[in-house]
Amino acid sequence: SQQGEEDPQALSIQEGENATMNCSYKTSINNLQWYRQNSGRGLVHLILIRSNEREKHSGRLRVTLDTSKKSSSLLITASRAADTASYFCATDGAGGYNKLIFGAGTRLAVHP
Amino acid sequence: DAGITQSPRYKITETGRQVTLMCHQTWSHSYMFWYRQDLGHGLRLIYYSAAADITDKGEVPDGYVVSRSKTENFPLTLESATRSQTSVYFCASKGDTEPYGYTFGSGTRLTVV
Repeated sequence: SQQGEEDPQALSIQEGENATMNCSYKTSINNLQWYRQNSGRGLVHLILIRSNEREKHSGRLRVTLDTSKKSSSLLITASRAADTASYFCATDGAGGYNKLIFGAGTRLAVHP
Repeated sequence: DAGITQSPRYKITETGRQVTLMCHQTWSHSYMFWYRQDLGHGLRLIYYSAAADITDKGEVPDGYVVSRSKTENFPLTLESATRSQTSVYFCASKGDTEPYGYTFGSGTRLTVV
């Protein structure tokens, strides 16, 4: 069974707006990662947050992690049409170290 | 070129045939992985390898076989393909120092008819 569950499953916004995606997981983790997938392409690593970190930034991305609630969020600020993609959270450590377990993803559509 | 490459990009095979998907990485990463991606399921781990000659099962290993005789190659074989194995298959690798993110190949779209 999947470790991570993303919410919402789909998100549609206008350019310039912020997009927030949430991820919940079930067991202890070493780190949590977010990936992006453009249609028909491979996954691209966006950001990694360790279990002892609470917040991390990378450009327009902000990730938070709440290990007490077993949840994480990905915020994309000032979204662009080029941000249209599917976003996946993945946990490392739940099924044994160095095995990423993915959620089902959030499909983000950013309209010009 | 440096990176992780998968071949073929697309494959159509018949039920019952054996098919091998290839994965090659140029970084000498210790860890390599095979995932399948189906609509509504995200990515599910099939097999992974921590080093040459060390492999282990993931979430959905049935019907698949892997080998890793060399660090840079991690082929995935479907011994007798079934329609339920129609999917997009992704190979990934990860270095064994810091907890860096994984690097994924472009995927192989396999159709079993």
